[in-house]
Amino acid sequence: KQEVTQIPAALSVPEGENLVLNCSFTDSAIYNLQWFRQDPGKGLTSLLLIQSSQREQTSGRLNASLDKSSGRSTLYIAASQPGDSATYLCAVEYGNKLVFGAGTILRVKS
Amino acid sequence: EPEVTQTPSHQVTQMGQEVILRCVPISNHLYFYWYRQILGQKVEFLVSFYNNEISEKSEIFDDQFSVERPDGSNFTLKIRSTKLEDSAMYFCASSVRQARGELFFGEGSRLTVL
Repeated sequence: KQEVTQIPAALSVPEGENLVLNCSFTDSAIYNLQWFRQDPGKGLTSLLLIQSSQREQTSGRLNASLDKSSGRSTLYIAASQPGDSATYLCAVEYGNKLVFGAGTILRVKS
Repeated sequence: EPEVTQTPSHQVTQMGQEVILRCVPISNHLYFYWYRQILGQKVEFLVSFYNNEISEKSEIFDDQFSVERPDGSNFTLKIRSTKLEDSAMYFCASSVRQARGELFFGEGSRLTVL
C-alpha cells in the first residue's frame, strides 16, 4: 500500500531558527514529490516539486531533498519567520494521483 | 498569476440532495483532479480526468460521484445523493501534464451535509 508519513506532526520554534520537516513513503516507484503549504481553512499552495530523477530543489529560503531509494524527503526552511506558520504537506505522485501525508503543523514564534 | 478557481466556497445541503461543485482550471492545463479533505484528516485523491474521460478514480469515487467538463473552461464534481460522511473540503487541481507535472490547487469548496 502506498503510504506517506510526515514527522513531526507539530513543531514550534522561535523566529530565526532553521528547521527540517521529514517525509517518508513506502513505495519508491514515484514520479515526483511535491511539498505544499496549507493555511487554516485554505487551499494548497505548491512550494517545491522534485522530479524522481532529482536530488534537491531550492526556492528562496526553502530547500527540499529527495532520496528515492530510502523513501525519504526533507524540507529545510532557513531563518524561519512568523509568516511561515502553516501546515506543510508532502505529496508523492504515483501515476495519475498524489498520495498525501498528514502534514506537519509549524508555528514560528516572534 | 493564473489560478484555479472554485465555487461555491461553502455549501450547506440536506442529506440526500444533489450537489454540484464547480472549478475553473488554469487555462492551458489539460489534466484535472478532485481531492477531498475531511476535517482533521489527510487530503485524499478522488478522480483524475483527461481528454474528456476519467483516467483514474479512487475507491471513494463510487456511483454517487460524477465529473464533467461541460465546456472549454469548467470542470464539475457532482454528488448525486449526499450523505453525512460527504461533508469535507473538496479541492480541484489542474496540471499541464500528468506524471511529473506540478499540480495547482484551488481554494476549495467546503461541503456541509446536514
